Amino acid sequence: DAKTTQPNSMESNEEEPVHLPCNHSTISGTDYIHWYRQLPSQGPEYVIHGLTSNVNNRMASLAIAEDRKSSTLILHRATLRDAAVYYCILRGGDDKIIFGKGTRLHILP
Amino acid sequence: NAGVTQTPKFRVLKTGQSMTLLCAQDMNHEYMYWYRQDPGMGLRLIHYSVGEGTTAKGEVPDGYNVSRLKKQNFLLGLESAAPSQTSVYFCASTEAQAYPYEQYFGPGTRLTVT
Repeated sequence: DAKTTQPNSMESNEEEPVHLPCNHSTISGTDYIHWYRQLPSQGPEYVIHGLTSNVNNRMASLAIAEDRKSSTLILHRATLRDAAVYYCILRGGDDKIIFGKGTRLHILP
Repeated sequence: NAGVTQTPKFRVLKTGQSMTLLCAQDMNHEYMYWYRQDPGMGLRLIHYSVGEGTTAKGEVPDGYNVSRLKKQNFLLGLESAAPSQTSVYFCASTEAQAYPYEQYFGPGTRLTVT
């Protein structure tokens, strides 16, 4: 079973920030939090990852709760091209990489 | 770099036929993975490999076999295709240390079994 819980779908208006939540209450101390997204008819692509501290890159920001039991992917200014399924994944010492169902993000023009 | 490539892009099989899906990566990655994705669903791990000559089962391995004879290639075989194996298949690879390095995915193979 996936070790993360995400809402099935979310909507946001274009050019507004989007906050995508993920719960991972059973996270272990060595688990990294990864986010991927899958655009329509494409393979998933890496977005961002973090361990304890908040992280920023050119695509998004990752805010990690102090107890690490939840995290939020932040798209600062959503565009229509950000409409995708977003997956939150925990990666630890296990070689398996398990995806859940993700959150389908709809962007309204 | 081509990254991760998959062959073929599309295929239609009849029940009982066999086929092999090829995944190739040119990034010298040790780890490779095969996933399937059914309509409206997330990805499910079929098999994976942590290095040349090694393979391991994922979440849904039944009905599939894999081989990793060369580091750059990971083959997924269906010996006797069934309609339940109609899906989109994605291959992925990642660097030697399994985490925290990112996975790189191929474009997918759309397989229909009639």
